[in-house]
Amino acid sequence: GQQVMQIPQYQHVQEGEDFTTYCNSSTTLSNIQWYKQRPGGHPVFLIQLVKSGEVKKQKRLTFQFGEAKKNSSLHITATQTTDVGTYFCAALGNMLTFGGGTRLMVKP
Amino acid sequence: SAVISQKPSRDICQRGTSLTIQCQVDSQVTMMFWYRQQPGQSLTLIATANQGSEATYESGFVIDKFPISRPNLTFSTLTVSNMSPEDSSIYLCSAGTGTYEQYFGPGTRLTVT
Repeated sequence: GQQVMQIPQYQHVQEGEDFTTYCNSSTTLSNIQWYKQRPGGHPVFLIQLVKSGEVKKQKRLTFQFGEAKKNSSLHITATQTTDVGTYFCAALGNMLTFGGGTRLMVKP
Repeated sequence: SAVISQKPSRDICQRGTSLTIQCQVDSQVTMMFWYRQQPGQSLTLIATANQGSEATYESGFVIDKFPISRPNLTFSTLTVSNMSPEDSSIYLCSAGTGTYEQYFGPGTRLTVT
């Protein structure tokens, strides 16, 4: 089945700094989804990207889907302590395949 | 959107016993799934719960170990059978409409002693 690799695995930032997590696949993806899981919580859907080169924004979060539809990124501008959690990308094929996740820690 | 509830939220079980986890969705959904997540790790799909037919299991998971029921479009159960300490994990139910986002339940934290 398809695999998605996510980097970095962990990221510590100072509050106010930017943060980016990357998701890469060796195969072309039909779409990519992003989820956020707060510590002790369950994954919560953030967004879905479908089109090549698509860019979507949600307040301080910017999501991109690569032109070749093999990679995606999530960028957070000016992180806040409320951004703490693990961000997962997930590729939808026959099933939803989750990346390993990037755990974001924000120091106030 | 859909709201998912799971019971129990956590349990501590002895090896060799079985635990059934219940998942209830507040609306009819096409797809229901069961995942396992070790603390600090990603999610691994156990199976897709099919309404009215046998569940579809992913590689490494078998029906004898993880029997699943889905009697209707809003409810599913996962049983973890003949448990061993290696089964200690968080089990998550999710629901979706196939091509769109999945909504996750709060999870069941299982500890096997």
